[in-house]
Amino acid sequence: DVKVTQSSRYLVKRTGEKVFLECVQDMDHENMFWYRQDPGLGLRLIYFSYDVKMKEKGDIPEGYSVSREKKERFSLILESASTNQTSMYLCASRKGLADIYEQYFGPGTRLTVT
Amino acid sequence: RKEVEQDPGPFNVPEGATVAFNCTYSNSASQSFFWYRQDCRKEPKLLMSVYSSGNEDGRFTAQLNRASQYISLLIRDSKLSDSATYLCVVNGGGYQKVTFGTGTKLQVIP
Repeated sequence: DVKVTQSSRYLVKRTGEKVFLECVQDMDHENMFWYRQDPGLGLRLIYFSYDVKMKEKGDIPEGYSVSREKKERFSLILESASTNQTSMYLCASRKGLADIYEQYFGPGTRLTVT
Repeated sequence: RKEVEQDPGPFNVPEGATVAFNCTYSNSASQSFFWYRQDCRKEPKLLMSVYSSGNEDGRFTAQLNRASQYISLLIRDSKLSDSATYLCVVNGGGYQKVTFGTGTKLQVIP
């Protein structure tokens, strides 16, 4: 079974703090994704990575950056957290380069920025 | 028009009923399609892939209509445990074209 883990289930940070969200997958998947999920807006793609050190912007990259130094780990960084970044953050991984494969999600990190 | 659209519901159905959801997509070049299930405050999990020829898994049937650009999910003999939000996913070709619908909420009532 594919396992995707995220470093925290719940996180509370103050405005202006730098926030790191970590995601690790154990199935040697090439693709990894970061989404945020908000009521009424669904899942929105922030960044994705198709290989080590490779990254591509998704639909809403502003205010975020990512890092993929090892194949199994994909980090999301909020450079200076703001209250409008309060959300559920979901990491996903997917095998291969073709989009015929499904994504496997981590349990999510519920981030509150005060 | 949104790239992927779903009726948010909620669909409230009695146990044993048959219920169907549709999901429309705007990109005619879309390549692959999925239905995911998401329980309250949990991550999405794959329910089933949607193939051109249709796909059936027990009480669940997924269909694709490319001409009208929609996918459907049919649930027969609904169980209380089917209560969840059902997300459709459309892959448009290329990594960045993974688009999730906002989900349809199903509540199965005793």
